[in-house]
Amino acid sequence: AQTVTQSQPEMSVQEAETVTLSCTYDTSESNYYLFWYKQPPSRQMILVIRQEAYKQQNATENRFSVNFQKAAKSFSLKISDSQLGDTAMYFCAFMNLGPGGSEKLVFGKGTKLTVNP
Amino acid sequence: DTAVSQTPKYLVTQMGNDKSIKCEQNLGHDTMYWYKQDSKKFLKIMFSYNNKELIINETVPNRFSPKSPDKAHLNLHINSLELGDSAVYFCASSQDGPGQGMYGYTFGSGTRLTVV
Repeated sequence: AQTVTQSQPEMSVQEAETVTLSCTYDTSESNYYLFWYKQPPSRQMILVIRQEAYKQQNATENRFSVNFQKAAKSFSLKISDSQLGDTAMYFCAFMNLGPGGSEKLVFGKGTKLTVNP
Repeated sequence: DTAVSQTPKYLVTQMGNDKSIKCEQNLGHDTMYWYKQDSKKFLKIMFSYNNKELIINETVPNRFSPKSPDKAHLNLHINSLELGDSAVYFCASSQDGPGQGMYGYTFGSGTRLTVV
């Protein structure tokens, strides 16, 4: 079974600085998807960024980027120019590929990020 | 608005009661899911349905029974509620097809269930 590990339960960063959240995963599959989701205090789950395992190029979405190391099974999230609104729980998630309904998202335990003014 | 909507957002009930949470998506997705988020924020899949057919059924007490009347709806009924059922329950949906998994899931806003 796939597992996702986030080794940092909590992190904090000063506004405008850069922070990196770690994630490792375990799988025997060669093709899969990886995601970072954000959960602010409002409880809503918001997709931040995605990465397809067959793509070597790291995904980037504005201030958010990933460092995807397939051989090391590592998928870290870098947040540049941190903003107060980035304060949230961040979940790393793995999705296997399969027929309809079987592609389940497996989540890590989350990292609580606080951005300080 | 295109979305996944859950009702109710909050549910407080006594032990032993039976309750239901409703979920609807208007995204035209083929697959719907129920996830449970415990007090430590850990998210774990409970069920998935694809075009009204049960696909994933994780180790969940049989007091939990999902029902999908059509592919746009997936409801969760819970019998004989226990204190340990207190959690946030999320509904989600996704589209099938080659390459569609890369879009991940669209989540509802969650239902906070408190059993007293």
